[in-house]
Amino acid sequence: QSVLTQPPSTSGTPGQRVTISCSGSSSNIGSNYVSWYQHLPGTAPKLLIYRNNQRPSGVPDRFSGSKSGTPASLAISGLRSEDEADYYCGAWDDSLSGWVFGGGTKLTVL
Amino acid sequence: EEQLVESGGGLVQPGRSVRLSCTASGFTFGEYAVSWFRQAPGKGLDWVAFIRSKAYGGTTEYAASVKGRFTISRDDPKSIAYLQMNSLTTEDTAVYYCSRIGGGGGYYYGEYYFDFWGQGTLVTVSS
Repeated sequence: QSVLTQPPSTSGTPGQRVTISCSGSSSNIGSNYVSWYQHLPGTAPKLLIYRNNQRPSGVPDRFSGSKSGTPASLAISGLRSEDEADYYCGAWDDSLSGWVFGGGTKLTVL
Repeated sequence: EEQLVESGGGLVQPGRSVRLSCTASGFTFGEYAVSWFRQAPGKGLDWVAFIRSKAYGGTTEYAASVKGRFTISRDDPKSIAYLQMNSLTTEDTAVYYCSRIGGGGGYYYGEYYFDFWGQGTLVTVSS
């Protein structure tokens, strides 16, 4: 059971917009920055969003992050087949004194 | 180009030890904090440990599941971070990843994020 809650899966067709939610509590998302990672198992995870809504250089602006209180979300617009991957949100948890992830959301591009 | 390469994984018996290495290139390793993560088969990502840069005391932090068994360390002249794993159990079977901590890697953990990652090394604990 992950500390942060994400839907286990989502899907969309090419060109569509999808959002992935990440729910937590006041001890993690509510008081700390959220970051998002894209991961294909067996490969290096990739940073997509940091500090809630900042995009590293090289990440397309199709990816955007937001946070309103304790839920955070990742939006992917103009969906492409190469976006098919697992997506994880993460944050520091003050109560657990540890970094926590969501359980991951598997995105399927139909 | 920033790069991290993990090594040292393999098959190890329960109760034994293994040391993983994370070799960095393409950036000034000593200026950054570093973290280890793992992903057990069929599971999600889990954080294992942090180590700050020497500028912030080189202090460490561990997940509860590994505290007292695992030790993270760094050798800045060699640009290598290590993860010493002792008293291994089957629950430690996973792909282990190292990452660089962005945002300065300072005293406030809430600002941390992980901007470059390695491809991982598999540790299998089995008799």
